Amino acid sequence: QQQVKQSPQSLIVQKGGISIINCAYENTAFDYFPWYQQFPGKGPALLIAIRPDVSEKKEGRFTISFNKSAKQFSLHIMDSQPGDSATYFCAALTGNTPLVFGKGTRLSVIA
Amino acid sequence: DTAVSQTPKYLVTQMGNDKSIKCEQNLGHDTMYWYKQDSKKFLKIMFSYNNKELIINETVPNRFSPKSPDKAHLNLHINSLELGDSAVYFCASSQINEQFFGPGTRLTVL
Repeated sequence: QQQVKQSPQSLIVQKGGISIINCAYENTAFDYFPWYQQFPGKGPALLIAIRPDVSEKKEGRFTISFNKSAKQFSLHIMDSQPGDSATYFCAALTGNTPLVFGKGTRLSVIA
Repeated sequence: DTAVSQTPKYLVTQMGNDKSIKCEQNLGHDTMYWYKQDSKKFLKIMFSYNNKELIINETVPNRFSPKSPDKAHLNLHINSLELGDSAVYFCASSQINEQFFGPGTRLTVL
């Protein structure tokens, strides 16, 4: 049973455009929702995270939108750049438990 | 300074061999993990240790045995390697929620 569903599987965006990746979760006990960025040959790196008591969090060009009632959250990358091309994973956890990951979105930003 | 380090980065071996992957974190975290990333990039937890004690052991063959000699180290030993064990293995550590990942070990079983 996949507890975190992520879409789309791949995404191509023009430079300067907005990249949007969506995730939905099932377990209402989850209380921490991070997004990880992974470049080829590297480990996942934390990009931005949110807790369910806020509906939006912004850090630079990256924004998480969170809808607790719908059990959905999304990552928006504004002014997407070629250097943002990577695989993005949404995840969820409760307490100090292991992360439950979505299946990943491969983002390609083309000039 | 690397926060979470793993060795080796690449490991190529024959079926049936036994191999180990080492992980060290210098963040002072209490909890460490092993994740497996398959060929489709899916990341899944294998083990979780807290203060050297096994907390979580997902459905992983008992050919995989983690060992934590101290809070800063979590090694993964794999016996009788099979073709299906080929993957990238990531070590991670955390204190509260935020998890830091190592660079990964790409294991190829021939």
